[in-house]
Amino acid sequence: NAGVMQNPRHLVRRRGQEARLRCSPMKGHSHVYWYRQLPEEGLKFMVYLQKENIIDESGMPKERFSAEFPKEGPSILRIQQVVRGDSAAYFCASSPQQGTNTGELFFGEGSRLTVL
Amino acid sequence: QQPVQSPQAVILREGEDAVINCSSSKALYSVHWYRQKHGEAPVFLMILLKGGEQKGHDKISASFNEKKQQSSLYLTASQLSYSGTYFCGVPGYSSASKIIFGSGTRLSIRP
Repeated sequence: NAGVMQNPRHLVRRRGQEARLRCSPMKGHSHVYWYRQLPEEGLKFMVYLQKENIIDESGMPKERFSAEFPKEGPSILRIQQVVRGDSAAYFCASSPQQGTNTGELFFGEGSRLTVL
Repeated sequence: QQPVQSPQAVILREGEDAVINCSSSKALYSVHWYRQKHGEAPVFLMILLKGGEQKGHDKISASFNEKKQQSSLYLTASQLSYSGTYFCGVPGYSSASKIIFGSGTRLSIRP
């Protein structure tokens, strides 16, 4: 059983470019969460999605950030016009049900974005 | 609404015990514990769902005091493999569909 797959693992972008981070949840999981982690800091919730629906995006910056989880294919976190402050590790997690009920979120290895 | 963890960091010698605390300013209905090793993904340890519930596996256990709105993680006879950052997580207050994590407790184990 493959775990949560994230790619790319490392991404370098110059200021103003776009970053696209992909997340394929575990097989059978229909709930996807994105978290951001700055160096030496905690996990900050960004967005919670189910297939074709954004359930909770209260942690997403209002501008430049968007997320989707299409019917087919991986979930994508898109950051437009990146700035240095976007440099962070972005973790995706999946669960078969709403994570607060089952308890376990399965995290991917993360995508580390560096903005030059 | 972020839970507060203490201490921020702990340094132990192998075999020593540690307690990590997690508290919330609002009512708690469940508490989740994860461990993250440096450069790796967070890994689920356990969830506590009822007030007063205690859980554990191996020599890592946790308690949940609903009235005090806090949970504690106990690491007994620590091993080198216990090193990492421990996060507690609670359901979001505005929406229970997400888990909000504390800022983490960094645990370092020395031989």
